[in-house]
Amino acid sequence: AQKVTQAQTEISVVEKEDVTLDCVYETRDTTYYLFWYKQPPSGELVFLIRRNSFDEQNEISGRYSWNFQKSTSSFNFTITASQVVDSAVYFCALSEGNYGQNFVFGPGTRLSVLP
Amino acid sequence: DTGVSQDPRHKITKRGQNVTFRCDPISEHNRLYWYRQTLGQGPEFLTYFQNEAQLEKSRLLSDRFSAERPKGSFSTLEIQRTEQGDSAMYLCASSSRSRPYEQYFGPGTRLTVT
Repeated sequence: AQKVTQAQTEISVVEKEDVTLDCVYETRDTTYYLFWYKQPPSGELVFLIRRNSFDEQNEISGRYSWNFQKSTSSFNFTITASQVVDSAVYFCALSEGNYGQNFVFGPGTRLSVLP
Repeated sequence: DTGVSQDPRHKITKRGQNVTFRCDPISEHNRLYWYRQTLGQGPEFLTYFQNEAQLEKSRLLSDRFSAERPKGSFSTLEIQRTEQGDSAMYLCASSSRSRPYEQYFGPGTRLTVT
């Protein structure tokens, strides 16, 4: 069965610091998708990124970057030069198979960025 | 606003009452999902529709829970004989035929059972 672990329950950083959120996953499928979602205090989950299991290329989007390593079953998320607006709970998620069902979310990491 | 919408946003009910929630997905999305999220946890999958067909149900979905999507558009989630343990945020998400793995979430319905 698939599983997602986010070992960091809470992280606090000071504005402008870089921060990395860890995600480790377990799956028996060779085809799967990994995701990061942001849940700000308002509560609505916001889609950030999707990665499929055949694409290990790292991705950068502005201050956000993602490091996918199949060898360690990890999909870590780094925020560079953090800002107060980055404060939120971040969820890593895994979906097995080709059709997007069977979503499993990790427990989340609460990030607080202090001014 | 063309995102996923849910109604009501908050519901307070007494134990034993029935409640029904509604979800309106993004209009061109054929897939619709229901999740439950309790405080401090990630969302837990409840059920999933492709068009009007309910294709998968989690074992979390007891007999007191039922979901429908009669015309393949909006969906309803009903909980009968509510229990205090049903208190949670109920989230709806939708995804498209071309990108089934990218789910877009609504704001959720927060249920409090007293």
